[in-house]
Amino acid sequence: EAGVTQFPSHSVIEKGQTVTLRCDPISGHDNLYWYRRVMGKEIKFLLHFVKESKQDESGMPNNRFLAERTGGTYSTLKVQPAELEDSGVYFCASSQLDGTNTEAFFGQGTRLTVV
Amino acid sequence: AQSVAQPEDQVNVAEGNPLTVKCTYSVSGNPYLFWYVQYPNRGLQFLLKYITGDNLVKGSYGFEAEFNKSQTSFHLKKPSALVSDSALYFCAVRGTNSGNTPLVFGKGTRLSVIA
Repeated sequence: EAGVTQFPSHSVIEKGQTVTLRCDPISGHDNLYWYRRVMGKEIKFLLHFVKESKQDESGMPNNRFLAERTGGTYSTLKVQPAELEDSGVYFCASSQLDGTNTEAFFGQGTRLTVV
Repeated sequence: AQSVAQPEDQVNVAEGNPLTVKCTYSVSGNPYLFWYVQYPNRGLQFLLKYITGDNLVKGSYGFEAEFNKSQTSFHLKKPSALVSDSALYFCAVRGTNSGNTPLVFGKGTRLSVIA
């Protein structure tokens, strides 16, 4: 069974440019989460999808971040325009629905560097 | 609000010695607790979880963790460290009345096992 996959693994962009990150969850997992880790800090929650619906987007930093999950399968996270403070590792995770005690499975992350 | 504290940024241990990576938490209700590990250039991998029952939980790669309700701790342990255990370790928590809400992570502890 394929795990959670993220693309690209690394991205270096200039301030002001746009970047789109993609996450393919494990097949059948309705929960999809986006997290971000800035160097040396906590892994912070950004957004939670249940199927195609945004369940919780309280962690999104500002309106430069836009996440979508059309059709309830893969998800994209767009940053437009990117700022220096957006640099970090963006993780995607998925889990089964109604899984309060179910672990989330993580992708390898996308390392974003804004210069 | 839920929170996780990992008081040590770095833990160094000699190969063959026991290791402990500390974690304390704060959550309303009973906690669901998790440990994840990140090896270099890899995503987060699930190690173990505490849901209910026996306070000592055994997980992957010989790791175990002990849930201590009175001390609100969930320290990760291994009786004999290997050089290959060197990685970044994250503790995470989710409250029982949180439904499918996301995990809250600590900032991570870097474990270095020296041969």
